[in-house]
Amino acid sequence: AAGVIQSPRHLIKEKRETATLKCYPIPRHDTVYWYQQGPGQDPQFLISFYEKMQSDKGSIPDRFSAQQFSDYHSELNMSSLELGDSALYFCASSSTRAVTEAFFGQGTRLTVV
Amino acid sequence: AQKITQTQPGMFVQEKEAVTLDCTYDTSDQSYGLFWYKQPSSGEMIFLIYQGSYDEQNATEGRYSLNFQKARKSANLVISASQLGDSAMYFCAMRGNDMRFGAGTRLTVKP
Repeated sequence: AAGVIQSPRHLIKEKRETATLKCYPIPRHDTVYWYQQGPGQDPQFLISFYEKMQSDKGSIPDRFSAQQFSDYHSELNMSSLELGDSALYFCASSSTRAVTEAFFGQGTRLTVV
Repeated sequence: AQKITQTQPGMFVQEKEAVTLDCTYDTSDQSYGLFWYKQPSSGEMIFLIYQGSYDEQNATEGRYSLNFQKARKSANLVISASQLGDSAMYFCAMRGNDMRFGAGTRLTVKP
């Protein structure tokens, strides 16, 4: 069965650079969530989209933005990167028609140096 | 606002024994879903089990079962017959308008 695909799996950037993380949800899933997980931390909710519209916003810095495209894939754009942005970034997808499903991608490990 | 609380930072269990990981939640939503995920040291988040707020029966998935007590707002995960491969972080999450996580419990299974 198709799973949530995230790319890239690993990313190394320098301070003040920009990064774009991509998420391809499970087909027919209408909701996408983005999370940031620092070392030894629980996943912190950043932002979510339902049917390509932003549905909720968590602790997402103003330097970050995200969108969901017509094919339902989502991108998280991060600018002016700081050392503290180094974390594991997860994308999850779910369906309002199949509420028991909420699956995560493998995550993108971002390292800012 | 939703809040998930996992009060056990770490738990130890002997191999082949059962263990209960605690999760309490707070929400004003009438309809919500509760999830448990396992995160091994490799980092991926593995879906374990789901309980809907209107489900009358406790969810079970193989060795995993969810002890859902709606009035107490608790959704504890029970792992039966623990295996060494169960050693990992376990996160409780709740989906209402968004999806939030608890702080996690690190489970260590001892041989």
